[in-house]
Amino acid sequence: NAGVMQNPRHLVRRRGQEARLRCSPMKGHSHVYWYRQLPEEGLKFMVYLQKENIIDESGMPKERFSAEFPKEGPSILRIQQVVRGDSAAYFCASSPGNNSPLHFGNGTRLTVT
Amino acid sequence: KQEVTQIPAALSVPEGENLVLNCSFTDSAIYNLQWFRQDPGKGLTSLLLIQSSQREQTSGRLNASLDKSSGRSTLYIAASQPGDSATYLCAVSLNNDYKLSFGAGTTVTVRA
Repeated sequence: NAGVMQNPRHLVRRRGQEARLRCSPMKGHSHVYWYRQLPEEGLKFMVYLQKENIIDESGMPKERFSAEFPKEGPSILRIQQVVRGDSAAYFCASSPGNNSPLHFGNGTRLTVT
Repeated sequence: KQEVTQIPAALSVPEGENLVLNCSFTDSAIYNLQWFRQDPGKGLTSLLLIQSSQREQTSGRLNASLDKSSGRSTLYIAASQPGDSATYLCAVSLNNDYKLSFGAGTTVTVRA
């Protein structure tokens, strides 16, 4: 039973490019969450999605960031026109429903040069 | 806004010594508190989850206590081993189980 799968593990982008981070939840999990870990800081909640719906995006920056979880396929976190401050580890977590523990993936480490 | 603080930021102990990791939070009206382990370049592994109505949880050599009124939790690891070397994260949620507020972590090194 595979865990939460994130790819790529490492992503390097130049300033102004787009970054796409993918997350496949655990089998049977329909709830996906994205967190960001900036250097020397704790993880911070970004967004909570269920299939085809954004439930809570209160932690998402207002510009350049978007997330989706389509009916088929992985969840995508998209960052447009990346800047150096976007360099961080982005973690995805999934759960089977409400009041269930979150299972985290290994993260995608984004470096903006 | 919930602030979570973990002290110390780093800890180095000889093998066999007991570990005590501290976590404090500013808003005592929490939903639950979790302790995670994070290995370099890896994801988070949940170690223990304490519901707001509980005072402690135990799993093997690990024991976590929760004192909501003082806004504190402590993770005890008995008889530490080199394999316990990792970063330990404390996370609290206020009114649901998905919007976790994390501390910056305590990085533990257990010397053989």
